[in-house]
Amino acid sequence: SQTIHQWPATLVQPVGSPLSLECTVEGTSNPNLYWYRQAAGRGLQLLFYSVGIGQISSEVPQNLSASRPQDRQFILSSKKLLLSDSGFYLCAWSVAVMNTEAFFGQGTRLTVV
Amino acid sequence: AQSVTQPDIHITVSEGASLELRCNYSYGATPYLFWYVQSPGQGLQLLLKYFSGDTLVQGIKGFEAEFKRSQSSFNLRKPSVHWSDAAEYFCAVGSNDMRFGAGTRLTVKP
Repeated sequence: SQTIHQWPATLVQPVGSPLSLECTVEGTSNPNLYWYRQAAGRGLQLLFYSVGIGQISSEVPQNLSASRPQDRQFILSSKKLLLSDSGFYLCAWSVAVMNTEAFFGQGTRLTVV
Repeated sequence: AQSVTQPDIHITVSEGASLELRCNYSYGATPYLFWYVQSPGQGLQLLLKYFSGDTLVQGIKGFEAEFKRSQSSFNLRKPSVHWSDAAEYFCAVGSNDMRFGAGTRLTVKP
């Protein structure tokens, strides 16, 4: 069966520090991969999605970036965190056809102080 | 561009009462529609999905949703709410770039 792993579960980082959140999927090949951010009391904002290795689509201009170095690995990064980057970050995957649902990881609670 | 609107930020219902959560979408073609539930501090769990065919879809935990193309809606319903249904509910539309609504927080009164 397929599983998705996202870590760390919680993270407290100072303003201006770098960020690296990792997400890996097991049990499937060539998945679509997603990063979402959920700010307090807000919905899910799609940050990045990827349909293949090295193929990243960015939805919102910001100081975050994403990379997909391997088929089932998706990394969210920042060179310098801002206070506004605080939130709940969710990684998700779906089968690489149009009409399937996304499966979510357990999320990372990021607090920038 | 595709988008989803959930008009109700917060809904409170009594345990045993019926529930309807509203969702309106904007999509250029045949929409793929989903409802997810999120417990506090957790990821999202799929309740149900609509791709085509019967416009009334059944999901887990006794939930159902009805697709109405003429109203661009995909409302979630449950005949009798249980205290354990208290959570955040998200409607979503799309395919490779799945878009979510802002969510509706459900509170269940004893």
